[in-house]
Amino acid sequence: DAKTTQPPSMDCAEGRAANLPCNHSTISGNEYVYWYRQIHSQGPQYIIHGLKNNETNEMASLIITEDRKSSTLILPHATLRDTAVYYCIVANFGNEKLTFGTGTRLTIIP
Amino acid sequence: DGGITQSPKYLFRKEGQNVTLSCEQNLNHDAMYWYRQDPGQGLRLIYYSQIVNDFQKGDIAEGYSVSREKKESFPLTVTSAQKNPTAFYLCASSMDVPPSGYEQYFGPGTRLTVT
Repeated sequence: DAKTTQPPSMDCAEGRAANLPCNHSTISGNEYVYWYRQIHSQGPQYIIHGLKNNETNEMASLIITEDRKSSTLILPHATLRDTAVYYCIVANFGNEKLTFGTGTRLTIIP
Repeated sequence: DGGITQSPKYLFRKEGQNVTLSCEQNLNHDAMYWYRQDPGQGLRLIYYSQIVNDFQKGDIAEGYSVSREKKESFPLTVTSAQKNPTAFYLCASSMDVPPSGYEQYFGPGTRLTVT
């Protein structure tokens, strides 16, 4: 019962902005969008989350469409260390059950 | 230096043996979680605990058991009843208190191989 749809893989040139899309057309009003990433053989790392407004932190920006049915994670200046699997997750705030799909494998090309 | 530790990083066991994976956190987080990850797959929730002495089953709890006797510790036992125990096991914790958000902090994982 997948709540999000992400492309399986993407490439991005080093130094360019990486834009990772996520579709969540069945999102409900009290559900947040979370992004995590997992570098090979490590535990996932939290990146950012948002409800309906665009969000920015030191790692990335999150752009959520007005109808909230899709979002884009932006890594503004991708480096080789950003090569990882990126997971888009939709969940109620305070809901312990985060469902990690298969994510997008982002490869940064030198 | 706060964080989550899991030990060991690699673990090998014979089929039919129970094995316990360690997870410790010094972040003062109330909630802790265990996930399983198979090659090329996402994470699946095994068990989670919101408070000491209480825990709930996740999506794939069969063949696993947990305990939460201390806030800092949430060990996972993989029993002989688990049909396919070989996997990468990840422990996580979260503060679970609004409005800080719902960030789960993950440990480095334990790769269990059962032969």
